[in-house]
Amino acid sequence: NAGVTQTPKFRVLKTGQSMTLLCAQDMNHEYMYWYRQDPGMGLRLIHYSVGEGTTAKGEVPDGYNVSRLKKQNFLLGLESAAPSQTSVYFCASSYRNGDLRLNTEAFFGQGTRLTVV
Amino acid sequence: QQPVQSPQAVILREGEDAVINCSSSKALYSVHWYRQKHGEAPVFLMILLKGGEQKGHEKISASFNEKKQQSSLYLTASQLSYSGTYFCGTLTTDSWGKLQFGAGTQVVVTP
Repeated sequence: NAGVTQTPKFRVLKTGQSMTLLCAQDMNHEYMYWYRQDPGMGLRLIHYSVGEGTTAKGEVPDGYNVSRLKKQNFLLGLESAAPSQTSVYFCASSYRNGDLRLNTEAFFGQGTRLTVV
Repeated sequence: QQPVQSPQAVILREGEDAVINCSSSKALYSVHWYRQKHGEAPVFLMILLKGGEQKGHEKISASFNEKKQQSSLYLTASQLSYSGTYFCGTLTTDSWGKLQFGAGTQVVVTP
């Protein structure tokens, strides 16, 4: 059981380039999340999904797009990378525990360290 | 809106106790607590549901006051392995699945 797998683990981009970060989970979780982590800022929610085909904005969605075409995958896209997007990106997934408003523990991927120069 | 954590950092000697607080400006449905070691992913500690339940993990416990929209994490008789950054995550009653985290509390336990 791989859990949550993020691809790639490291990447250096030039300003203006585009890229897609892939998050894959094999636990049949309904909820999936993308966070960015910057020093002193904690984990900030970029976008999230409560099910296949649905996505919603988090706290810091500008400059990012997401898609959840398959339940097990959640893609994060940067259309035109900027130095301000230099960060560590974490994907997480969670199971919906019956009550639609509750989820259980979130499982995190190992993170993607992205540098935009 | 991110929940607010305090303090930002705490230094402990082995065996000492500490309390980390988490508060929200919105009504809470549940509170998650995670610990992150340097260079690693956050790891789940516990979930607290509305109703004031207390949960425990080793000598780490937590409480949840839904009326005050607050949660506290208690580190009792701290061990060196407790060092790391602790995050609270919240689900509010007006959201569905939107798990948001605070800025974290860095805990350093010294011998």
